[in-house]
Amino acid sequence: EPEVTQTPSHQVTQMGQEVILRCVPISNHLYFYWYRQILGQKVEFLVSFYNNEISEKSEIFDDQFSVERPDGSNFTLKIRSTKLEDSAMYFCASSGPRVQPQHFGDGTRLSIL
Amino acid sequence: KNEVEQSPQNLTAQEGEFITINCSYSVGISALHWLQQHPGGGIVSLFMLSSGKKKHGRLIATINIQEKHSSLHITASHPRDSAVYICADPMNYGGSQGNLIFGKGTKLSVKP
Repeated sequence: EPEVTQTPSHQVTQMGQEVILRCVPISNHLYFYWYRQILGQKVEFLVSFYNNEISEKSEIFDDQFSVERPDGSNFTLKIRSTKLEDSAMYFCASSGPRVQPQHFGDGTRLSIL
Repeated sequence: KNEVEQSPQNLTAQEGEFITINCSYSVGISALHWLQQHPGGGIVSLFMLSSGKKKHGRLIATINIQEKHSSLHITASHPRDSAVYICADPMNYGGSQGNLIFGKGTKLSVKP
């Protein structure tokens, strides 16, 4: 069964550094999402992406965050200047053209030192 | 503002017991999601439902749109069912699926 893949599984970065989290959604899906989960807390929506543009974003998704679909297969989340509070598990998800469940990747654990 | 509340927060059961997890949401929805988060962190979609009832193996999900309430049931629970079960409600239903608002999850532990 096709799946969403995320790399790396764990990223350790110094505060202030840029980080790029990568996702390969399921190939025929059209909607893409990033969520994050701070340790011990609930999953929170960051951003959704459709037709090569952001369709919605949350208050968390400030100017330090950006998303891209550079080549038609990868979907990336960039954090420009990381802060300690960016430490979390980041999940990518994708869904198909109709009302279908979202498929999640296994997540990237981001640790900011 | 859409709120998603789950109960209980933690649940311990003996193998074979019937499990019920409840979810209430505050805003009318297009489809409610039930997801399972494994101890390693991965999230799997279990159900998406907008009315009535859905069944998959030993899992049953029901929803009452008028009462804005959904339940997830597990029959004949097994230790491998131990996980966090999360209810999620789309923030809206525009042209997309709806970005999900997650509940805090119910941590289920099934003892042999």
